[in-house]
Amino acid sequence: KNEVEQSPQNLTAQEGEFITINCSYSVGISALHWLQQHPGGGIVSLFMLSSGKKKHGRLIATINIQEKHSSLHITASHPRDSAVYICAALGDKLIFGTGTRLQVFP
Amino acid sequence: DAGVIQSPRHEVTEMGQEVTLRCKPISGHDYLFWYRQTMMRGLELLIYFNNNVPIDDSGMPEDRFSAKMPNASFSTLKIQPSEPRDSAVYFCASSLSPTGYNEQFFGPGTRLTVL
Repeated sequence: KNEVEQSPQNLTAQEGEFITINCSYSVGISALHWLQQHPGGGIVSLFMLSSGKKKHGRLIATINIQEKHSSLHITASHPRDSAVYICAALGDKLIFGTGTRLQVFP
Repeated sequence: DAGVIQSPRHEVTEMGQEVTLRCKPISGHDYLFWYRQTMMRGLELLIYFNNNVPIDDSGMPEDRFSAKMPNASFSTLKIQPSEPRDSAVYFCASSLSPTGYNEQFFGPGTRLTVL
């Protein structure tokens, strides 16, 4: 069993839909990192959070430390949101999930 | 600012050759990270520096890999000798924060192919 698991692995949506990507981890962490990797390969850091919720534009990240679970939400999804979303748990070391591939169709 | 700069963007080499990847972090950033991404293993943190000092190199796969940061504006990741299983995209990232992990800025990556 991977220490950091993401679901779903693949996700397709119509433009405008509300998207949820989940990340569960089994190790103790001090923070959780959400990254976005564009189809061209470039990586953007979205959020680093250790409790509660953070919001940036249409993106919202939440974390529940007790349940060892984090979610990334995208409101009013758009084709430009199509990317791979990766969570990484920061404990004794940084452990990455395998990513969720999101495709948003117009 | 030009962002994090990596060179070369693509590197093709033969097994046994030495490979040097280069990174210029964003000016003023005091953390620098080296990552590797493969289809099989996904993203992995190899090593990170704070103020030019290596803090955690536990992700470096083996002695064939070495990383240096001689000054605040330059870092290298060297593989000697290279092997086909080292083929991957290598990312460098930098950040400025007390923890180092907040809002990292990633370079475009170097795609390494070892034949």
